Amino acid sequence: GAVVSQHPSWVICKSGTSVKIECRSLDFQATTMFWYRQFPKQSLMLMATSNEGSKATYEQGVEKDKFLINHASLTLSTLTVTSAHPEDSSFYICSVTPVGGYTDTQYFGPGTRLTVL
Amino acid sequence: GDSVTQMEGPVTLSEEAFLTINCTYTATGYPSLFWYVQYPGEGLQLLLKATKADDKGSNKGFEATYRKETTSFHLEKGSVQVSDSAVYFCALMGVKAAGNKLTFGGGTRVLVKP
Repeated sequence: GAVVSQHPSWVICKSGTSVKIECRSLDFQATTMFWYRQFPKQSLMLMATSNEGSKATYEQGVEKDKFLINHASLTLSTLTVTSAHPEDSSFYICSVTPVGGYTDTQYFGPGTRLTVL
Repeated sequence: GDSVTQMEGPVTLSEEAFLTINCTYTATGYPSLFWYVQYPGEGLQLLLKATKADDKGSNKGFEATYRKETTSFHLEKGSVQVSDSAVYFCALMGVKAAGNKLTFGGGTRVLVKP
Protein backbone atom coordinates (compact mmCIF):
# COMPACT_ATOMS: atom_id res chain seq x y z
CA GLY A 1 0.00 0.00 0.00
CA ALA A 2 0.91 3.65 -0.21
CA VAL A 3 3.32 5.05 2.35
CA VAL A 4 2.56 8.17 4.34
CA SER A 5 5.03 9.57 6.85
CA GLN A 6 4.64 12.08 9.61
CA HIS A 7 7.35 14.07 11.33
CA PRO A 8 7.96 14.26 14.15
CA SER A 9 6.49 11.10 15.62
CA TRP A 10 6.29 12.76 18.99
CA VAL A 11 6.95 16.23 20.35
CA ILE A 12 6.92 17.87 23.75
CA CYS A 13 6.68 21.64 23.94
CA LYS A 14 6.06 24.40 26.43
CA SER A 15 2.76 26.18 26.64
CA GLY A 16 2.60 29.18 24.30
CA THR A 17 4.98 27.84 21.69
CA SER A 18 4.07 26.74 18.17
CA VAL A 19 4.61 23.28 16.78
CA LYS A 20 4.72 22.22 13.14
CA ILE A 21 3.81 18.68 12.06
CA GLU A 22 4.63 17.43 8.58
CA CYS A 23 2.71 14.88 6.56
CA ARG A 24 4.36 13.45 3.45
CA SER A 25 3.20 10.98 0.85
CA LEU A 26 6.34 9.12 -0.09
CA ASP A 27 5.48 7.21 -3.22
CA PHE A 28 2.57 9.05 -4.79
CA GLN A 29 1.05 12.47 -5.26
CA ALA A 30 -1.93 13.36 -3.14
CA THR A 31 -4.93 15.32 -4.31
CA THR A 32 -6.35 15.70 -0.86
CA MET A 33 -4.91 15.47 2.62
CA PHE A 34 -6.90 15.20 5.82
CA TRP A 35 -5.92 16.04 9.38
CA TYR A 36 -7.45 14.20 12.31
CA ARG A 37 -7.15 14.43 16.04
CA GLN A 38 -7.42 11.36 18.25
CA PHE A 39 -7.88 11.54 21.99
CA PRO A 40 -6.82 8.60 24.17
CA LYS A 41 -9.03 5.58 23.67
CA GLN A 42 -11.33 7.59 21.45
CA SER A 43 -12.06 7.81 17.78
CA LEU A 44 -10.58 10.07 15.13
CA MET A 45 -12.07 13.51 14.78
CA LEU A 46 -11.63 15.18 11.41
CA MET A 47 -10.13 18.64 11.83
CA ALA A 48 -9.70 19.83 8.26
CA THR A 49 -9.40 18.88 4.63
CA SER A 50 -6.74 20.40 2.42
CA ASN A 51 -6.15 20.41 -1.29
CA GLU A 52 -2.86 21.41 -2.85
CA GLY A 53 -2.70 25.10 -3.62
CA SER A 54 -5.95 26.05 -1.94
CA LYS A 55 -7.09 26.98 1.54
CA ALA A 56 -8.00 24.20 3.91
CA THR A 57 -11.61 23.52 4.80
CA TYR A 58 -12.04 23.29 8.56
CA GLU A 59 -14.67 21.30 10.40
CA GLN A 60 -17.11 23.07 12.62
CA GLY A 61 -15.59 23.96 15.96
CA VAL A 62 -11.98 23.79 14.80
CA GLU A 63 -10.13 27.09 15.12
CA LYS A 64 -8.45 27.80 11.81
CA ASP A 65 -6.20 30.46 13.33
CA LYS A 66 -4.96 28.02 15.91
CA PHE A 67 -4.47 25.03 13.62
CA LEU A 68 -2.79 26.37 10.50
CA ILE A 69 -2.69 24.02 7.55
CA ASN A 70 -0.47 24.48 4.54
CA HIS A 71 -0.71 22.09 1.61
CA ALA A 72 2.30 23.40 -0.29
CA SER A 73 2.78 20.56 -2.75
CA LEU A 74 1.19 17.33 -3.90
CA THR A 75 3.35 15.41 -1.45
CA LEU A 76 3.49 17.62 1.62
CA SER A 77 1.02 19.12 4.04
CA THR A 78 1.84 20.76 7.35
CA LEU A 79 -0.22 21.38 10.46
CA THR A 80 1.00 24.11 12.78
CA VAL A 81 -0.46 24.29 16.26
CA THR A 82 -0.01 27.92 17.24
CA SER A 83 0.36 29.07 20.84
CA ALA A 84 -0.14 25.54 22.05
CA HIS A 85 -1.75 24.86 25.41
CA PRO A 86 -2.07 21.67 27.45
CA GLU A 87 -5.57 21.04 26.09
CA ASP A 88 -4.02 20.76 22.62
CA SER A 89 -2.13 17.67 23.74
CA SER A 90 -3.34 14.87 21.52
CA PHE A 91 -2.47 12.43 18.77
CA TYR A 92 -2.58 14.09 15.35
CA ILE A 93 -2.98 11.92 12.28
CA CYS A 94 -2.94 12.77 8.61
CA SER A 95 -4.34 10.81 5.70
CA VAL A 96 -4.08 11.25 1.96
CA THR A 97 -6.01 10.36 -1.15
CA PRO A 98 -3.70 9.57 -4.08
CA VAL A 99 -3.97 11.23 -7.44
CA GLY A 100 -5.54 8.78 -9.83
CA GLY A 101 -6.52 6.37 -7.07
CA TYR A 102 -9.91 5.44 -5.72
CA THR A 103 -11.44 8.58 -4.30
CA ASP A 104 -12.83 6.63 -1.37
CA THR A 105 -9.41 5.37 -0.31
CA GLN A 106 -7.36 7.16 2.30
CA TYR A 107 -3.87 6.19 3.42
CA PHE A 108 -2.98 7.15 6.97
CA GLY A 109 0.22 8.33 8.50
CA PRO A 110 1.50 6.82 11.76
CA GLY A 111 0.51 9.87 13.77
CA THR A 112 2.28 12.50 15.86
CA ARG A 113 1.85 12.63 19.59
CA LEU A 114 1.91 16.19 20.91
CA THR A 115 2.36 16.89 24.60
CA VAL A 116 2.12 20.48 25.76
CA LEU A 117 3.50 21.19 29.22
CA GLY B 1 -25.58 14.05 10.20
CA ASP B 2 -23.71 10.85 9.51
CA SER B 3 -22.69 8.73 12.46
CA VAL B 4 -21.16 5.33 13.22
CA THR B 5 -21.66 3.31 16.37
CA GLN B 6 -19.56 0.29 17.21
CA MET B 7 -19.33 -1.92 20.22
CA GLU B 8 -17.06 -0.77 22.97
CA GLY B 9 -14.07 -2.80 23.93
CA PRO B 10 -11.86 -4.12 25.00
CA VAL B 11 -12.67 -7.49 23.58
CA THR B 12 -10.45 -10.23 24.94
CA LEU B 13 -10.33 -13.55 23.14
CA SER B 14 -8.29 -16.70 23.07
CA GLU B 15 -6.43 -17.68 19.93
CA GLU B 16 -8.62 -19.46 17.35
CA ALA B 17 -11.79 -17.99 18.83
CA PHE B 18 -14.51 -16.39 16.70
CA LEU B 19 -14.53 -12.61 16.60
CA THR B 20 -17.48 -10.34 15.92
CA ILE B 21 -17.42 -6.56 16.22
CA ASN B 22 -20.77 -4.91 15.72
CA CYS B 23 -21.09 -1.69 13.73
CA THR B 24 -24.21 0.25 12.83
CA TYR B 25 -24.49 3.51 11.01
CA THR B 26 -26.77 6.43 10.31
CA ALA B 27 -26.55 8.13 6.94
CA THR B 28 -28.70 9.15 4.03
CA GLY B 29 -28.65 7.10 0.89
CA TYR B 30 -26.04 4.44 0.34
CA PRO B 31 -22.72 5.36 1.93
CA SER B 32 -19.52 3.40 1.44
CA LEU B 33 -18.52 1.43 4.51
CA PHE B 34 -15.06 0.59 5.78
CA TRP B 35 -13.17 -1.24 8.48
CA TYR B 36 -9.78 0.15 9.42
CA VAL B 37 -7.28 -1.51 11.75
CA GLN B 38 -4.66 0.20 13.90
CA TYR B 39 -1.89 -2.07 15.12
CA PRO B 40 0.13 -0.92 18.14
CA GLY B 41 2.43 1.92 17.20
CA GLU B 42 1.23 2.09 13.61
CA GLY B 43 -1.15 4.17 11.51
CA LEU B 44 -4.61 3.10 10.44
CA GLN B 45 -4.75 0.62 7.60
CA LEU B 46 -7.73 -0.17 5.44
CA LEU B 47 -8.86 -3.70 6.26
CA LEU B 48 -11.85 -4.01 3.96
CA LYS B 49 -14.63 -2.03 2.40
CA ALA B 50 -18.05 -2.35 0.75
CA THR B 51 -19.62 0.24 -1.47
CA LYS B 52 -23.17 -0.99 -2.01
CA ALA B 53 -25.85 -2.96 -0.26
CA ASP B 54 -25.25 -6.72 0.12
CA ASP B 55 -21.59 -6.35 -0.86
CA LYS B 56 -19.19 -8.39 1.24
CA GLY B 57 -15.75 -7.04 1.92
CA SER B 58 -13.05 -9.49 2.90
CA ASN B 59 -9.35 -9.46 3.68
CA LYS B 60 -6.94 -11.45 5.86
CA GLY B 61 -9.73 -13.77 6.97
CA PHE B 62 -11.97 -10.90 8.04
CA GLU B 63 -15.38 -10.36 6.48
CA ALA B 64 -18.14 -7.79 6.70
CA THR B 65 -21.41 -7.57 4.79
CA TYR B 66 -23.16 -4.30 3.97
CA ARG B 67 -26.69 -4.68 5.34
CA LYS B 68 -28.87 -1.81 4.26
CA GLU B 69 -31.98 -3.15 5.98
CA THR B 70 -30.30 -3.16 9.38
CA THR B 71 -27.81 -0.34 8.59
CA SER B 72 -25.02 -2.57 9.81
CA PHE B 73 -21.53 -3.64 8.77
CA HIS B 74 -20.43 -6.14 11.38
CA LEU B 75 -16.85 -7.43 11.25
CA GLU B 76 -16.20 -11.15 11.67
CA LYS B 77 -13.27 -13.52 11.71
CA GLY B 78 -13.61 -17.22 12.26
CA SER B 79 -10.31 -17.92 13.97
CA VAL B 80 -8.29 -15.07 15.41
CA GLN B 81 -4.55 -15.03 15.98
CA VAL B 82 -2.44 -13.14 18.46
CA SER B 83 -1.33 -10.91 15.59
CA ASP B 84 -4.93 -9.70 15.21
CA SER B 85 -4.60 -7.77 18.45
CA ALA B 86 -5.31 -4.18 17.43
CA VAL B 87 -7.91 -1.44 17.48
CA TYR B 88 -10.59 -1.76 14.83
CA PHE B 89 -12.51 1.22 13.49
CA CYS B 90 -15.72 1.12 11.50
CA ALA B 91 -16.19 4.11 9.20
CA LEU B 92 -18.43 5.46 6.49
CA MET B 93 -18.08 7.86 3.61
CA GLY B 94 -21.39 9.52 2.93
CA VAL B 95 -22.96 9.87 -0.47
CA LYS B 96 -22.86 13.62 -0.24
CA ALA B 97 -19.56 13.73 1.60
CA ALA B 98 -17.65 16.77 0.42
CA GLY B 99 -14.01 15.99 -0.09
CA ASN B 100 -14.54 12.28 0.63
CA LYS B 101 -14.63 12.71 4.38
CA LEU B 102 -14.71 9.66 6.61
CA THR B 103 -16.85 9.41 9.72
CA PHE B 104 -15.40 6.98 12.26
CA GLY B 105 -16.88 4.93 15.04
CA GLY B 106 -15.29 4.97 18.46
CA GLY B 107 -12.98 2.03 17.83
CA THR B 108 -12.89 -1.40 19.44
CA ARG B 109 -9.73 -2.70 21.03
CA VAL B 110 -9.22 -6.43 20.53
CA LEU B 111 -6.73 -8.44 22.54
CA VAL B 112 -6.04 -12.02 21.51
CA LYS B 113 -4.29 -14.17 24.08
CA PRO B 114 -2.26 -17.28 23.22
